[in-house]
Amino acid sequence: SYELTQPPSVSASPGQTARITCSGDALPKQYAYWYQQKPGQAPVLLIYKDTERPSGIPERFSGSSSGTIVTLTISGVQAEDEADYYCQSTDSSGAYVAFGGGTKLTVL
Amino acid sequence: QVQLQESGPGLVKPSETLSLTCTVSGGSISSASHYWGWILQPPGKGLEWIGSIYFSGTTYYNPSLKSRVTMSVDTSKYQFSLRLTSVSAADTAVYYCARLRRISSGYYVDYWGQGTLVTVSS
Repeated sequence: SYELTQPPSVSASPGQTARITCSGDALPKQYAYWYQQKPGQAPVLLIYKDTERPSGIPERFSGSSSGTIVTLTISGVQAEDEADYYCQSTDSSGAYVAFGGGTKLTVL
Repeated sequence: QVQLQESGPGLVKPSETLSLTCTVSGGSISSASHYWGWILQPPGKGLEWIGSIYFSGTTYYNPSLKSRVTMSVDTSKYQFSLRLTSVSAADTAVYYCARLRRISSGYYVDYWGQGTLVTVSS
């Protein structure tokens, strides 16, 4: 089955920029999506179609794409951003969903 | 505002079948733009897609679970369901039902249920 690869952990101090990457062979062809999950809660959509931000999501969250790697950037990290972040996409056929393994963001 | 609510047993015995239902409110289950899906998350671990179903009954399953999974939809009741057979302790997880928005190719989750913990234990 299709796999997306994320680093297990990333850390940043408040006010700094955190970047979380996600790699997958089909990413040049398929959009990527990013979700934030806090303990005990369902995930929340942060970024859709590589770079778009749903209404209500702070501007400090942004997405970018380059070839087989997509990146979630959190500019001016805040303590409340400490959470798990998951990328999601589909395989080249567009039928099968895959999630990355998740990245834990620690705010120092 | 679309809402999804999972229901089903919180405890299942090993080798038996896990059955969950998701009830949809606030939106049409027969939407042409959406699929309905199940996602699991073992305690302390990441998200894993189980499968997706269209209102017509078309299904896509995770290849790693395909031999044990069946999904169905009842549009008259605004419900869709999951059956996972021959469960083991490894299937202990929070199970989320979700609405997936279809765009060009691929899809993403735009609404999640609150999740329900299913424990596999004798």
